Amino acid sequence: EAQVTQNPRYLITVTGKKLTVTCSQNMNHEYMSWYRQDPGLGLRQIYYSMNVEVTDKGDVPEGYKVSRKEKRNFPLILESPSPNQTSLYFCASSYLTVDNSPLHFGNGTRLTVT
Amino acid sequence: SQQGEEDPQALSIQEGENATMNCSYKTSINNLQWYRQNSGRGLVHLILIRSNEREKHSGRLRVTLDTSKKSSSLLITASRAADTASYFCATDKRSQGNLIFGKGTKLSVKP
Repeated sequence: EAQVTQNPRYLITVTGKKLTVTCSQNMNHEYMSWYRQDPGLGLRQIYYSMNVEVTDKGDVPEGYKVSRKEKRNFPLILESPSPNQTSLYFCASSYLTVDNSPLHFGNGTRLTVT
Repeated sequence: SQQGEEDPQALSIQEGENATMNCSYKTSINNLQWYRQNSGRGLVHLILIRSNEREKHSGRLRVTLDTSKKSSSLLITASRAADTASYFCATDKRSQGNLIFGKGTKLSVKP
């Protein structure tokens, strides 16, 4: 089944404790992206990648890192989480075409930083 | 940098009625997409309309695009309780790597 898999679904951590949220897709998509969703603010893009070893900042990259060593994986790293990073995170992927093919989303990771 | 803005923010209707949601955007686009999100879940793509198209249908969904007004509408006909969800428009700045989402319209369909 074609899907984007994020883990974990829920995560509670403390300020400053490094964490990684994994994202994997099995559709051979070139494009992958991370979003955070907060009440009243909609979805905001954190980082995106157009292919292996190519990553770029989105609108809210501060406090986050990503890597794209393989085409299928795009982990989101929080080196020193803070409470303002408490949010619902989504990974998404798509083919990179002129027509901008639709994004496929994972089911989300709800992160709480205390 | 919010590109699309949906209107209304929330909409409550009875089953069987039509639901119309609007999206306005600021800069020129290649295409506009509509997504649906059930509570707390990942977004699901509904329909894509290109900048040279004016109207598109998919089942009970009808999307219009007016590039002169920089606006789009999503019409759901004969709504069902299962249509209860948030609906987002997204516009592309893919040359810059971004698909920009609006804040969404929360639709509630009462049985």
